[in-house]
Parts: sequence; C-alpha cells; structure tokens
Amino acid sequence: DGGITQSPKYLFRKEGQNVTLSCEQNLNHDAMYWYRQDPGQGLRLIYYSQIVNDFQKGDIAEGYSVSREKKESFPLTVTSAQKNPTAFYLCASSPDQGDGETQYFGPGTRLLVL
Amino acid sequence: AQSVTQPDIHITVSEGASLELRCNYSYGATPYLFWYVQSPGQGLQLLLKYFSGDTLVQGIKGFEAEFKRSQSSFNLRKPSVHWSDAAEYFCAVVFTGGGNKLTFGTGTQLKVEL
Repeated sequence: DGGITQSPKYLFRKEGQNVTLSCEQNLNHDAMYWYRQDPGQGLRLIYYSQIVNDFQKGDIAEGYSVSREKKESFPLTVTSAQKNPTAFYLCASSPDQGDGETQYFGPGTRLLVL
Repeated sequence: AQSVTQPDIHITVSEGASLELRCNYSYGATPYLFWYVQSPGQGLQLLLKYFSGDTLVQGIKGFEAEFKRSQSSFNLRKPSVHWSDAAEYFCAVVFTGGGNKLTFGTGTQLKVEL
C-alpha cells in the first residue's frame, strides 16, 4: 500500500534535548511538508521541500530543522531552541510543487515535554 | 492580508439533519480551495477540492461544497449527517504563486447527536 508513515506516534522530550520526527512516503512524490497543529489554531506550516536537497522555511520555522537527503524521507528535528514544542506534528506530501496539488497527510506524531 | 476564516468553532447537529460548515477567505484572486476532515488523533483526509469550472463540487462520503466568488466563500454541505461524521473539519486554501503552501482555517468541531 502506498502512503505516508510517521514515527513515533508519541514522543517525549526533556528540557534541552533535540528530538527527531520521522516522515517517510512511498508515493514517489516530489514535494513534502511539515505542519504543526495546536488546539484552536488549525495547522501551520513549519518547513517544506520541493525537491531533494532543497527546502524552505514556512511560517513558524524557528526552533526547527529539516533535511531532504532522499526523495522518500523528510525528517523534522525539534531543537532545544523551540521553547513550546508540545503539539501534534503532521507530515504531508504532494506529487509536485505546483499550486493546488493535493497534499496527502500522514497519521501524525504527538510531541510532549517531560 | 491573505487569510482563511471558519467562523464556527463547534457545531452540533442531530443524526439525519442537514449540515453546512462555513469557510471564507480573504484574497484578491480565486485561490485553490480544499476541505479536509480529521478524526481524533489522526491525520487529515481530503474531502474535496475546487480549482475552477463548476462551482458545486462533489466529494467523498456524500459531502459537497459550493464556491461563491461574490462572497469569497466555500461552504461545505451534507444533506443527511451520520454519527460517523463527527470529527473536525478544516477549510484550507492555496494562494497562487505561493509554492503550494496550504493556509488552514482554525477548524470546526462537529458533534452528532443520536
């Protein structure tokens, strides 16, 4: 089955710790995205990548980093600089970066701070 | 400024009743318009989308949406709601030339009374 997988489902972070969220897709999509979801705020774009080895900041990139070394993988690192990391993180992909291309979402990772 | 508004945070309907969820956007041209649904703790599933052409769009699960340019609206409707429709619904927009970045409304939580 083709789709997007995110792991882990739950992740706990200690103060000062960096954590990495995994996102993998086997849809052969060129573009991938990371969103953060907080209650009552909808989803906000953190980073996006239109092609391997290239990515751009979204609306709330501070405290986060990404890499895109392979087409199918787009991991997100939540760094210690992100002071309020508790949220639900969703990864998405689309066939290419053209305007209006449908984005398909993974099941999400919930990040909690200890 | 470009924005998306879902004015209803919560809506409760009886099973079998009709449903309309409101979405308005602020933009100088016609954007690409989407409706997604999210069950608790899950990712987002696309219900339908509008790019151009017929302003009444049919989607999955018996949903439809109508684009009204004069009102900058893209309201979601269903003639008869089922208990399984209880979820959170997000309107999302891609403003042209922005690199296929989705801008989301804050969501409407639908409760279905049996």
